[in-house]
Amino acid sequence: GAVVSQHPSRVICKSGTSVKIECRSLDFQATTMFWYRQFPKKSLMLMATSNEGSKATYEQGVEKDKFLINHASLTLSTLTVTSAHPEDSSFYICSAKAGRFAGELFFGEGSRLTVL
Amino acid sequence: AQSVTQLGSHVSVSEGALVLLRCNYSSSVPPYLFWYVQYPNQGLQLLLKYTTGATLVKGINGFEAEFKKSETSFHLTKPSAHMSDAAEYFCAVTSNTGFQKLVFGTGTRLLVSP
Repeated sequence: GAVVSQHPSRVICKSGTSVKIECRSLDFQATTMFWYRQFPKKSLMLMATSNEGSKATYEQGVEKDKFLINHASLTLSTLTVTSAHPEDSSFYICSAKAGRFAGELFFGEGSRLTVL
Repeated sequence: AQSVTQLGSHVSVSEGALVLLRCNYSSSVPPYLFWYVQYPNQGLQLLLKYTTGATLVKGINGFEAEFKKSETSFHLTKPSAHMSDAAEYFCAVTSNTGFQKLVFGTGTRLLVSP
Protein backbone atom coordinates (compact mmCIF):
# COMPACT_ATOMS: atom_id res chain seq x y z
CA GLY A 1 0.00 0.00 0.00
CA ALA A 2 0.86 3.65 0.05
CA VAL A 3 2.80 5.22 2.89
CA VAL A 4 1.86 8.31 4.85
CA SER A 5 4.27 9.68 7.40
CA GLN A 6 3.68 12.20 10.16
CA HIS A 7 6.24 14.20 12.03
CA PRO A 8 6.76 14.63 14.89
CA SER A 9 5.19 11.58 16.45
CA ARG A 10 5.23 13.23 19.86
CA VAL A 11 5.57 16.85 20.82
CA ILE A 12 5.37 18.66 24.12
CA CYS A 13 5.06 22.41 24.18
CA LYS A 14 4.30 25.24 26.55
CA SER A 15 0.95 26.94 26.59
CA GLY A 16 0.84 29.87 24.20
CA THR A 17 3.33 28.52 21.70
CA SER A 18 2.57 27.22 18.21
CA VAL A 19 3.25 23.72 17.00
CA LYS A 20 3.50 22.44 13.43
CA ILE A 21 2.72 18.85 12.46
CA GLU A 22 3.68 17.56 9.03
CA CYS A 23 1.92 14.91 6.99
CA ARG A 24 3.75 13.51 3.99
CA SER A 25 2.74 11.03 1.34
CA LEU A 26 6.00 9.22 0.69
CA ASP A 27 5.36 7.25 -2.45
CA PHE A 28 2.37 8.89 -4.05
CA GLN A 29 0.90 12.27 -4.75
CA ALA A 30 -2.05 13.32 -2.68
CA THR A 31 -4.25 16.13 -3.90
CA THR A 32 -6.45 15.64 -0.85
CA MET A 33 -5.46 15.04 2.74
CA PHE A 34 -7.60 14.89 5.83
CA TRP A 35 -6.81 15.89 9.39
CA TYR A 36 -8.44 14.09 12.31
CA ARG A 37 -8.34 14.63 16.02
CA GLN A 38 -8.73 11.78 18.43
CA PHE A 39 -9.61 12.36 22.05
CA PRO A 40 -8.75 9.73 24.68
CA LYS A 41 -11.04 6.74 24.38
CA LYS A 42 -13.03 8.52 21.70
CA SER A 43 -13.44 8.21 17.99
CA LEU A 44 -11.73 10.21 15.32
CA MET A 45 -13.20 13.58 14.56
CA LEU A 46 -12.61 15.02 11.12
CA MET A 47 -11.19 18.51 11.51
CA ALA A 48 -10.60 19.59 7.96
CA THR A 49 -10.03 18.56 4.38
CA SER A 50 -6.79 19.82 2.92
CA ASN A 51 -6.64 20.42 -0.81
CA GLU A 52 -3.38 21.06 -2.61
CA GLY A 53 -3.12 24.61 -3.80
CA SER A 54 -6.32 25.84 -2.19
CA LYS A 55 -7.76 26.67 1.18
CA ALA A 56 -8.67 23.90 3.53
CA THR A 57 -12.29 23.09 4.23
CA TYR A 58 -12.99 23.01 7.93
CA GLU A 59 -15.68 21.02 9.67
CA GLN A 60 -18.28 22.81 11.72
CA GLY A 61 -17.00 23.82 15.11
CA VAL A 62 -13.31 23.69 14.21
CA GLU A 63 -11.54 27.02 14.65
CA LYS A 64 -9.78 27.98 11.43
CA ASP A 65 -7.50 30.46 13.15
CA LYS A 66 -6.52 27.96 15.80
CA PHE A 67 -5.77 25.09 13.46
CA LEU A 68 -3.99 26.38 10.37
CA ILE A 69 -3.72 23.93 7.51
CA ASN A 70 -1.46 24.36 4.54
CA HIS A 71 -1.20 21.96 1.62
CA ALA A 72 1.62 23.51 -0.33
CA SER A 73 2.61 20.51 -2.44
CA LEU A 74 1.23 17.22 -3.63
CA THR A 75 3.12 15.36 -0.93
CA LEU A 76 2.92 17.62 2.10
CA SER A 77 0.21 19.03 4.30
CA THR A 78 0.88 20.79 7.56
CA LEU A 79 -1.28 21.44 10.60
CA THR A 80 -0.23 24.28 12.85
CA VAL A 81 -1.82 24.56 16.25
CA THR A 82 -1.52 28.23 17.12
CA SER A 83 -1.33 29.60 20.64
CA ALA A 84 -1.73 26.12 22.00
CA HIS A 85 -3.55 25.50 25.27
CA PRO A 86 -3.80 22.37 27.40
CA GLU A 87 -7.23 21.59 25.93
CA ASP A 88 -5.55 21.26 22.52
CA SER A 89 -3.65 18.24 23.82
CA SER A 90 -4.72 15.33 21.69
CA PHE A 91 -3.72 12.75 19.11
CA TYR A 92 -3.78 14.20 15.61
CA ILE A 93 -3.92 11.87 12.63
CA CYS A 94 -3.73 12.69 8.95
CA SER A 95 -4.81 10.64 6.00
CA ALA A 96 -4.17 10.99 2.31
CA LYS A 97 -6.18 9.89 -0.63
CA ALA A 98 -4.15 7.72 -2.99
CA GLY A 99 -5.38 7.90 -6.55
CA ARG A 100 -3.52 4.83 -7.70
CA PHE A 101 -5.27 2.78 -5.03
CA ALA A 102 -8.71 3.73 -6.27
CA GLY A 103 -8.86 6.65 -3.90
CA GLU A 104 -8.31 4.62 -0.78
CA LEU A 105 -7.26 6.54 2.29
CA PHE A 106 -3.98 5.81 4.00
CA PHE A 107 -3.31 7.03 7.50
CA GLY A 108 -0.25 8.46 9.12
CA GLU A 109 1.10 7.16 12.39
CA GLY A 110 -0.39 10.04 14.33
CA SER A 111 1.13 12.85 16.36
CA ARG A 112 0.54 13.17 20.07
CA LEU A 113 0.50 16.77 21.23
CA THR A 114 0.82 17.60 24.89
CA VAL A 115 0.46 21.22 25.92
CA LEU A 116 1.73 22.05 29.38
CA ALA B 1 -25.91 12.23 6.57
CA GLN B 2 -24.07 9.09 7.48
CA SER B 3 -23.38 7.55 10.86
CA VAL B 4 -21.90 4.45 12.41
CA THR B 5 -22.81 2.70 15.63
CA GLN B 6 -20.46 0.23 17.24
CA LEU B 7 -22.12 -1.74 19.97
CA GLY B 8 -19.87 -2.38 22.92
CA SER B 9 -16.94 -0.17 23.75
CA HIS B 10 -15.09 -3.25 25.01
CA VAL B 11 -15.20 -6.86 23.92
CA SER B 12 -13.29 -9.54 25.80
CA VAL B 13 -12.49 -12.95 24.39
CA SER B 14 -10.16 -15.77 25.21
CA GLU B 15 -7.33 -16.68 22.90
CA GLY B 16 -8.67 -19.06 20.27
CA ALA B 17 -12.27 -17.92 20.67
CA LEU B 18 -14.46 -16.33 18.03
CA VAL B 19 -14.20 -12.58 17.66
CA LEU B 20 -17.35 -10.63 16.78
CA LEU B 21 -17.32 -6.85 16.66
CA ARG B 22 -20.59 -5.23 15.72
CA CYS B 23 -21.12 -2.30 13.40
CA ASN B 24 -24.36 -0.80 12.16
CA TYR B 25 -24.49 2.09 9.77
CA SER B 26 -26.90 4.68 8.53
CA SER B 27 -26.61 6.06 5.05
CA SER B 28 -29.01 7.59 2.56
CA VAL B 29 -26.80 6.54 -0.34
CA PRO B 30 -25.03 3.28 -1.09
CA PRO B 31 -22.25 3.05 1.48
CA TYR B 32 -18.64 2.15 1.35
CA LEU B 33 -17.75 0.46 4.63
CA PHE B 34 -14.42 -0.03 6.35
CA TRP B 35 -12.86 -1.62 9.37
CA TYR B 36 -9.65 -0.17 10.75
CA VAL B 37 -7.41 -1.33 13.57
CA GLN B 38 -5.41 0.97 15.82
CA TYR B 39 -2.64 -0.10 18.15
CA PRO B 40 -1.69 2.19 21.05
CA ASN B 41 -0.23 5.50 19.97
CA GLN B 42 -0.32 4.54 16.33
CA GLY B 43 -2.32 5.50 13.30
CA LEU B 44 -5.01 3.43 11.67
CA GLN B 45 -4.47 0.39 9.50
CA LEU B 46 -7.10 -0.81 7.09
CA LEU B 47 -8.33 -4.31 7.84
CA LEU B 48 -10.86 -4.62 5.07
CA LYS B 49 -13.40 -2.70 3.07
CA TYR B 50 -16.64 -3.18 1.22
CA THR B 51 -17.36 -1.09 -1.85
CA THR B 52 -19.36 -3.13 -4.32
CA GLY B 53 -19.69 -6.76 -5.33
CA ALA B 54 -19.30 -9.66 -2.96
CA THR B 55 -20.87 -8.89 0.39
CA LEU B 56 -18.47 -11.09 2.34
CA VAL B 57 -15.10 -9.44 2.35
CA LYS B 58 -11.88 -10.88 3.66
CA GLY B 59 -9.16 -8.76 5.12
CA ILE B 60 -5.78 -9.05 6.68
CA ASN B 61 -4.91 -11.08 9.75
CA GLY B 62 -7.77 -13.53 9.21
CA PHE B 63 -10.56 -10.99 9.68
CA GLU B 64 -13.66 -10.86 7.55
CA ALA B 65 -16.89 -8.89 7.48
CA GLU B 66 -20.23 -9.27 5.80
CA PHE B 67 -22.26 -6.41 4.39
CA LYS B 68 -25.94 -6.97 5.11
CA LYS B 69 -28.01 -4.25 3.54
CA SER B 70 -31.28 -5.44 5.05
CA GLU B 71 -29.78 -5.20 8.53
CA THR B 72 -27.60 -2.15 7.77
CA SER B 73 -24.75 -4.04 9.38
CA PHE B 74 -21.10 -4.73 8.70
CA HIS B 75 -19.95 -6.90 11.58
CA LEU B 76 -16.31 -7.95 11.85
CA THR B 77 -15.41 -11.52 12.70
CA LYS B 78 -12.39 -13.73 13.16
CA PRO B 79 -12.72 -17.45 13.88
CA SER B 80 -9.89 -17.65 16.38
CA ALA B 81 -8.53 -14.75 18.39
CA HIS B 82 -4.83 -14.25 18.86
CA MET B 83 -3.16 -12.23 21.57
CA SER B 84 -1.83 -9.87 18.93
CA ASP B 85 -5.39 -8.98 17.93
CA ALA B 86 -5.79 -6.91 21.08
CA ALA B 87 -6.32 -3.36 19.81
CA GLU B 88 -8.94 -0.72 19.10
CA TYR B 89 -11.17 -1.37 16.11
CA PHE B 90 -13.06 1.28 14.22
CA CYS B 91 -15.86 0.86 11.73
CA ALA B 92 -16.26 3.67 9.22
CA VAL B 93 -18.59 4.65 6.41
CA THR B 94 -18.40 6.93 3.44
CA SER B 95 -20.50 7.41 0.37
CA ASN B 96 -19.75 5.97 -3.01
CA THR B 97 -18.56 9.30 -4.33
CA GLY B 98 -14.90 8.69 -3.89
CA PHE B 99 -13.78 7.85 -0.38
CA GLN B 100 -14.47 11.29 0.94
CA LYS B 101 -14.98 12.14 4.56
CA LEU B 102 -14.93 8.90 6.44
CA VAL B 103 -17.33 8.88 9.37
CA PHE B 104 -16.05 6.73 12.19
CA GLY B 105 -17.78 4.83 14.92
CA THR B 106 -16.69 5.28 18.51
CA GLY B 107 -14.48 2.22 18.42
CA THR B 108 -14.41 -1.12 20.18
CA ARG B 109 -11.47 -2.21 22.27
CA LEU B 110 -10.78 -5.91 21.85
CA LEU B 111 -9.21 -7.57 24.85
CA VAL B 112 -7.74 -11.04 24.42
CA SER B 113 -6.93 -13.14 27.46
CA PRO B 114 -4.70 -16.20 27.50
